[in-house]
Amino acid sequence: DSGVTQTPKHLITATGQRVTLRCSPRSGDLSVYWYQQSLDQGLQFLIHYYNGEERAKGNILERFSAQQFPDLHSELNLSSLELGDSALYFCASSVSGTGDSPLHFGNGTRLTVT
Amino acid sequence: GDSVTQMEGPVTLSEEAFLTINCTYTATGYPSLFWYVQYPGEGLQLLLKATKADDKGSNKGFEATYRKETTSFHLEKGSVQVSDSAVYFCALIRSGSARQLTFGSGTQLTVLP
Repeated sequence: DSGVTQTPKHLITATGQRVTLRCSPRSGDLSVYWYQQSLDQGLQFLIHYYNGEERAKGNILERFSAQQFPDLHSELNLSSLELGDSALYFCASSVSGTGDSPLHFGNGTRLTVT
Repeated sequence: GDSVTQMEGPVTLSEEAFLTINCTYTATGYPSLFWYVQYPGEGLQLLLKATKADDKGSNKGFEATYRKETTSFHLEKGSVQVSDSAVYFCALIRSGSARQLTFGSGTQLTVLP
């Protein structure tokens, strides 16, 4: 058990809808990262938050947004969903935003857009 | 930009066989290199890492050596077990980066009894 909790585990929704994925980092970790894993794109970095502030953006679509709350949990919002957004979305956390502290991954949320 | 190239899978081996999964990278500066493992239905787990040239990372019988001259970080294990069946990802973080892992495409390993 990595200590990172992601909910829900599975999500099935229709095109055009909006969903929210939630991540609770390991106790004491200040950084949260979001990754998307799909068959055609592999593992893609989406966004990084550290202690409530956005630190870096990767290949995140404008239809997607995220935030990290004062209690350090994070939410990834996906809107105007398309079939191609179907993927496994992972959250990872680490103690710091730089250096060598390892990333701990949650078990992911599997999103299916029909 | 940064990139990681892994050998194509799937790889199927018999128990106790020798494993090599090739990984090469392209990055500016001196990245840190990682191998992650993903078991079915689970998230990625850090398997081993190396932070500078000639470092050898090791864990659970797996090893990988950071070779700067060949920009490689090949994963090896002398004797695989059925329980090693998983997807293995090579990854890097560029030095100074805000810890944005760049992953390879993953290699599916199946070990048969």
